[in-house]
Amino acid sequence: GAGVSQSPRYKVAKRGQDVALRCDPISGHVSLFWYQQALGQGPEFLTYFQNEAQLDKSGLPSDRFFAERPEGSVSTLKIQRTQQEDSAVYLCASSLGPGPVKETQYFGPGTRLLVL
Amino acid sequence: DAKTTQPNSMESNEEEPVHLPCNHSTISGTDYIHWYRQLPSQGPEYVIHGLTSNVNNRMASLAIAEDRKSSTLILHRATLRDAAVYYCILRDGDTDKLIFGTGTRLQVFP
Repeated sequence: GAGVSQSPRYKVAKRGQDVALRCDPISGHVSLFWYQQALGQGPEFLTYFQNEAQLDKSGLPSDRFFAERPEGSVSTLKIQRTQQEDSAVYLCASSLGPGPVKETQYFGPGTRLLVL
Repeated sequence: DAKTTQPNSMESNEEEPVHLPCNHSTISGTDYIHWYRQLPSQGPEYVIHGLTSNVNNRMASLAIAEDRKSSTLILHRATLRDAAVYYCILRDGDTDKLIFGTGTRLQVFP
């Protein structure tokens, strides 16, 4: 079956530009996560949705970062007024739901964002 | 979240077994031990997880020390496709997010 897909795969933005990154989770997956991965580092948690509810946004680095999942499926991560330090790979993951049995996360290929 | 310690890098020859260690001395009784790996230019993928007992699946085996303060991911016969960064992660029952460290970069030589 189809896995997690993300678009665009690559994005080049000028400093100050707004960007929107899309994530299509696996159909039926309740939980959705966004992670940020800087070059040479492990992914870092940004935010978590359970259906349409954003239950944890503790990892969002500033109020320029905003995520939504209005219908409980597709999610969008928006970054306003991009800065050079926002350059990273943004990963989306989904899982069947919370709990130790369902919690395996399936990751998309990521969106590589470069801010010039 | 409890922290894990892994070597930065390891090397193996093709078709040899690989043992990837992970120390987690501050693990609590409800923490599950998860392993994910990330192939070049891809998102991480789940490998295996366990709580107390050793676990086997089609990808690997997970050996957990009796005191649970360390674990070892075992690839029984490394292939070139196993070259990746391997992350050892502790997850408690209340946290759904994954806390990645810097992982172990595994190189496999033909």
